[in-house]
Amino acid sequence: EPEVTQTPSHQVTQMGQEVILRCVPISNHLYFYWYRQILGQKVEFLVSFYNNEISEKSEIFDDQFSVERPDGSNFTLKIRSTKLEDSAMYFCASRLPTGYEQYFGPGTRLTVT
Amino acid sequence: EDQVTQSPEALRLQEGESSSLNCSYTVSGLRGLFWYRQDPGKGPEFLFTLYSAGEEKEKERLKATLTKKESFLHITAPKPEDSATYLCAVQNIKAAGNKLTFGGGTRVLVKP
Repeated sequence: EPEVTQTPSHQVTQMGQEVILRCVPISNHLYFYWYRQILGQKVEFLVSFYNNEISEKSEIFDDQFSVERPDGSNFTLKIRSTKLEDSAMYFCASRLPTGYEQYFGPGTRLTVT
Repeated sequence: EDQVTQSPEALRLQEGESSSLNCSYTVSGLRGLFWYRQDPGKGPEFLFTLYSAGEEKEKERLKATLTKKESFLHITAPKPEDSATYLCAVQNIKAAGNKLTFGGGTRVLVKP
């Protein structure tokens, strides 16, 4: 069964460093999302992306964040200058053009020290 | 602002002891209500979508129902492998990007 994949599974970085989290959505999906979950808290929406454009973003998704679909298979989230409070589990999700259910990847645990 | 509240926060069940999880929501226009299962350290796994009040969906020991203000996830005769956190999320029909707004989840532990 097709699934969303994410790399790396765990990323440790120092405060102020740039990180890129990578996702490979399910192949025939056209809508892509990033969410994050701080330990013990709710899953929070960051950004949605369709047709090479951001379609919606949350207040969390400020100028330090960016997304890109560099080729036909990858979808990336970049954090330019990481802060301690960026430490969280980051989930990528994708969905078909038909139907609204989103399928999530296994997540990347980001630890900022 | 869309809001989702789940109760209880945690539930301990004996194997075979049926129970229900509650998801109360406030949304200006509901496109869909979604149930996910999340195992520790993993991503949410899609279970059900409910679109309109009165709708019901079933999968093995799980049954989800929807009213205009809340949804229930019924677990019938649970087994230890049903232990997980169950997440409820809503999608607002006005959301341009179809984002999901999640509740805090219910942690279910089924003891043999």
